[in-house]
Amino acid sequence: GESVGLHLPTLSVQEGDNSIINCAYSNSASDYFIWYKQESGKGPQFIIDIRSNMDKRQGQRVTVLLNKTVKHLSLQIAATQPGDSAVYFCAEPPNFGNEKLTFGTGTRLTIIP
Amino acid sequence: DSGVTQTPKHLITATGQRVTLRCSPRSGDLSVYWYQQSLDQGLQFLIQYYNGEERAKGNILERFSAQQFPDLHSELNLSSLELGDSALYFCASSVEQGEIYYGYTFGSGTRLTVV
Repeated sequence: GESVGLHLPTLSVQEGDNSIINCAYSNSASDYFIWYKQESGKGPQFIIDIRSNMDKRQGQRVTVLLNKTVKHLSLQIAATQPGDSAVYFCAEPPNFGNEKLTFGTGTRLTIIP
Repeated sequence: DSGVTQTPKHLITATGQRVTLRCSPRSGDLSVYWYQQSLDQGLQFLIQYYNGEERAKGNILERFSAQQFPDLHSELNLSSLELGDSALYFCASSVEQGEIYYGYTFGSGTRLTVV
């Protein structure tokens, strides 16, 4: 069935380094993706989104890349800070007839001081 | 503060009991979604309401039910609780404009512990 999944469950990065979190999706018709950040004890928080007519989108210290050919997207965090430690989810929003946001299992990013 | 309010923040109850979790969506949002997150697990979709009507159902147990009231707040009712129901329960809301959907806004969750 359709799913959105993540490659790695955990990732540790030295503070100041860049991190890359990957996500695979199976529905080739998917046209919109969102990355969420969930800190311990809190609800997921929107980070950045990307539509399928784009290959890349940049925010503040974050960049999302979309490769539709291999159905893969990634979240790059530049110059990581301790506050970046969290679980990151990619998600596929509801399309018409599929009224729910589907989340991957998440990648836990730990920033090492 | 995300604008989505969930109460209570913590709930401890015994097996077999029934609890009600409450969610007030962000102002202007018509859709409410309920998700369950067990320890170190992803977010499992339970159910969605749009403007008072059930819109979609996920892996929601028959012991669980929900509703959305005219003022758009929603309640998730969990009955005959089991130890395995212990989890974080999140509510999210969204604005829907035609077929263009935007990201959800999540509340801070209710941590349910069944003992």
